Amino acid sequence: AQSVTQLGSHVSVSEGALVLLRCNYSSSVPPYLFWYVQYPNQGLQLLLKYTSAATLVKGINGFEAEFKKSETSFHLTKPSAHMSDAAEYFCAVEYSSASKIIFGSGTRLSIRP
Amino acid sequence: GAVVSQHPSRVICKSGTSVKIECRSLDFQATTMFWYRQFPKQSLMLMATSNEGSKATYEQGVEKDKFLINHASLTLSTLTVTSAHPEDSSFYICSALEAAAHRTQYFGPGTRLLVL
Repeated sequence: AQSVTQLGSHVSVSEGALVLLRCNYSSSVPPYLFWYVQYPNQGLQLLLKYTSAATLVKGINGFEAEFKKSETSFHLTKPSAHMSDAAEYFCAVEYSSASKIIFGSGTRLSIRP
Repeated sequence: GAVVSQHPSRVICKSGTSVKIECRSLDFQATTMFWYRQFPKQSLMLMATSNEGSKATYEQGVEKDKFLINHASLTLSTLTVTSAHPEDSSFYICSALEAAAHRTQYFGPGTRLLVL
């Protein structure tokens, strides 16, 4: 069965520092992979999506993620954190045959002034 | 981009009553919609897959008689929480699958349910 694991339930970085949120997937076939962001009491916003077109995926708000098949990873990065990046981030994998999206447990990103 | 709306955004009800939540795709047709539940500080858990014109498919452990899903049109799916109890209090989020080349899921803003 497909699953996704996010390492670290809480990550705290200083404003201007590199953001790295880790995600590893388990899949027997090449998956679709996603990163979503959720602000308090709001729904989900798609940051970026991997669909096998390119291993380095650029998303909104300066985020990007690299698909590494050898490591079964899809880590999310941003070179310089902004205060507005503070939110909950979810990595997710899609069952391509059924379009079901399975979410990781989430990582809360805090930004220190 | 495609927009999915949910109504109501927040609802408070008494224990034992039923609550209906609507999920609409505003500018695209969605043959498939999904319903998720999110408890505080937890991830989203898929409850069921809603297919237009057919019965919903429920995930293991989700009571189909308690969480009634109706997908009567290509732009509307409803989730009815029947005989709600305090443990049903949660954040309910729907998503709609755009049946185009990219097959992208778009998420609604969520509905906060509080059962007293």
